[in-house]
Amino acid sequence: EDQVTQSPEALRLQEGESSSLNCSYTVSGLRGLFWYRQDPGKGPEFLFTLYSAGEEKEKERLKATLTKKESFLHITAPKPEDSATYLCAVGYSSASKIIFGSGTRLSIRP
Amino acid sequence: DTGVSQNPRHKITKRGQNVTFRCDPISEHNRLYWYRQTLGQGPEFLTYFQNEAQLEKSRLLSDRFSAERPKGSFSTLEIQRTEQGDSAMYLCASSLNGDDQPQHFGDGTRLSIL
Repeated sequence: EDQVTQSPEALRLQEGESSSLNCSYTVSGLRGLFWYRQDPGKGPEFLFTLYSAGEEKEKERLKATLTKKESFLHITAPKPEDSATYLCAVGYSSASKIIFGSGTRLSIRP
Repeated sequence: DTGVSQNPRHKITKRGQNVTFRCDPISEHNRLYWYRQTLGQGPEFLTYFQNEAQLEKSRLLSDRFSAERPKGSFSTLEIQRTEQGDSAMYLCASSLNGDDQPQHFGDGTRLSIL
């Protein structure tokens, strides 16, 4: 069954404390893996697309990496404004839709 | 602002009533998607359009749900005879053509059923 799993469900960090969020997937024929940020009461905001194993993308304090089975979102020296839910989604060859994971709620304490 | 626009932002209605939501996509995007999101979960796919053609519908989309995209521009999602379980955030997204293109989301319509 095509599936996307994110861990941990929630993560609380001190400002400046670096960490990583995980997204593991089981789909046939990956077309793209997408990372989004979602603030309360808002829609998901697009961050990155990764297409093949070994690919990396960076934006400010965020860096996304991809292997054949999982993706990591690394956050370096986070600030309180990085607090949000981070969603991972996967597009695959037998469908035009994308499947989302349940997200990781990230909280950064000042 | 040229992002995806959804209206209304909030809708409160009594069980059994019909509701309609509107989505205006990014103008150059020919794909439009509808999702439903409940608390603590990621968005769940409902249906998508390429231009005016509705190409895929989820099993989640019961016969009480209908979506249209006349002329391939804005889209509407109607829920008939609403039920308590329909309470959720309804999100719209749009993208360029291609299954590998990122989808860009609006801020959703929050539906509450009394």
